[in-house]
Amino acid sequence: GAVVSQHPSWVICKSGTSVKIECRSLDFQATTMFWYRQFPKQSLMLMATSNEGSKATYEQGVEKDKFLINHASLTLSTLTVTSAHPEDSSFYICSAAQERLGGYNSPLHFGNGTRLTVT
Amino acid sequence: AQSVAQPEDQVNVAEGNPLTVKCTYSVSGNPYLFWYVQYPNRGLQFLLKYITGDNLVKGSYGFEAEFNKSQTSFHLKKPSALVSDSALYFCAVRDPGDSNYQLIWGAGTKLIIKP
Repeated sequence: GAVVSQHPSWVICKSGTSVKIECRSLDFQATTMFWYRQFPKQSLMLMATSNEGSKATYEQGVEKDKFLINHASLTLSTLTVTSAHPEDSSFYICSAAQERLGGYNSPLHFGNGTRLTVT
Repeated sequence: AQSVAQPEDQVNVAEGNPLTVKCTYSVSGNPYLFWYVQYPNRGLQFLLKYITGDNLVKGSYGFEAEFNKSQTSFHLKKPSALVSDSALYFCAVRDPGDSNYQLIWGAGTKLIIKP
């Protein structure tokens, strides 16, 4: 089955530092990956759509200079939280679709998420 | 506007009893419908989907969902709940008219199965 690997699974950093989160599709190629942020009250918030070889598409209200997304290959997208602050502490999840299999009726496959704590 | 509603924040069921997690949607046309499950501190796992055909869809771990076009619903069901089914469940919709893989998500329902 399709596997998405997300690393690290958790990270603690000091305020003002930057943190990079990697999302890899292990056994399939993904032109499009999605980055979500999940708040304690459960809901998933789409932050941005990561497009291989081009700029990411950010959702309204998401600071593109703070949450840098790079999708340099068909199997890797990275999210860098720059100058992190305590309010950036959250659970970040990436996902991708096996585009070549089912078309737009394909499910998304998710990484296991990254718990970011900024002190 | 397109939307997905999961009207219950939490559902409590005794082990062995049937369970239902509700989902309704507002999307034009014939949407693609998905259910995902999330265990604590993990990503989401795909459970099942409805694209077309039989309204009753069977998925992983004994779950099934029934598509009801007139009620615009896609409720998740299981005949006999297990304690291990306790998790967070998300309903999601994709509009086939949109040429992308983006999903519209419900807010999630916490399912608690009591022994």
